Amino acid sequence: NAGVTQTPKFQVLKTGQSMTLQCAQDMNHEYMSWYRQDPGMGLRLIHYSVGAGITDQGEVPNGYNVSRSTTEDFPLRLLSAAPSQTSVYFCASSRGQAAADTQYFGPGTRLTVL
Amino acid sequence: AQSVTQLDSHVSVSEGTPVLLRCNYSSSYSPSLFWYVQHPNKGLQLLLKYTSAATLVKGINGFEAEFKKSETSFHLTKPSAHMSDAAEYFCVLLKAAGNKLTFGGGTRVLVKP
Repeated sequence: NAGVTQTPKFQVLKTGQSMTLQCAQDMNHEYMSWYRQDPGMGLRLIHYSVGAGITDQGEVPNGYNVSRSTTEDFPLRLLSAAPSQTSVYFCASSRGQAAADTQYFGPGTRLTVL
Repeated sequence: AQSVTQLDSHVSVSEGTPVLLRCNYSSSYSPSLFWYVQHPNKGLQLLLKYTSAATLVKGINGFEAEFKKSETSFHLTKPSAHMSDAAEYFCVLLKAAGNKLTFGGGTRVLVKP
């Protein structure tokens, strides 16, 4: 199994540009989530999904969209990038539908918005 | 409000000495708590979790944590630090409503030879 994969590893955007961060898992996991990591703030939940066709907001959803058309993929879309979205983004998945299940994290995407 | 606070942003230890990472939580219900570790330029990995069974929880790589309800704490310890323990550690609380995790700010551990 490849586990949780994220692309790209690094990205630089200009303010106002849009882009999609890709996340895929090959473990048939139900729960998938997106976090952003900023220094001293830990990880903050952006959006999550408990299965295909079901998504919900986390703590910091503004400026981001998600969809879950398949069990395997959970892309994160930045609609109009802002410098405040400069961060490291992590995707995670777990087997069941509960956040309490062991979360498996991808390697992260480092995004810089100029 | 449910929250988790890690009391030290940085901890420095010598190889072979004990490690203590402190975590306090705030919750109006019986919490589920976790410790995750992040090695440099990697994703996070689960170390251990507490879900209202035994209050002393053993995890991977010799780490353990003790849940103390009276002190609202869930401190992480290891008797003898190894160079490979240099990483950032996160204390995590499961929010009862909304099926979400909330992370502490992280503690970065430096291990000196």
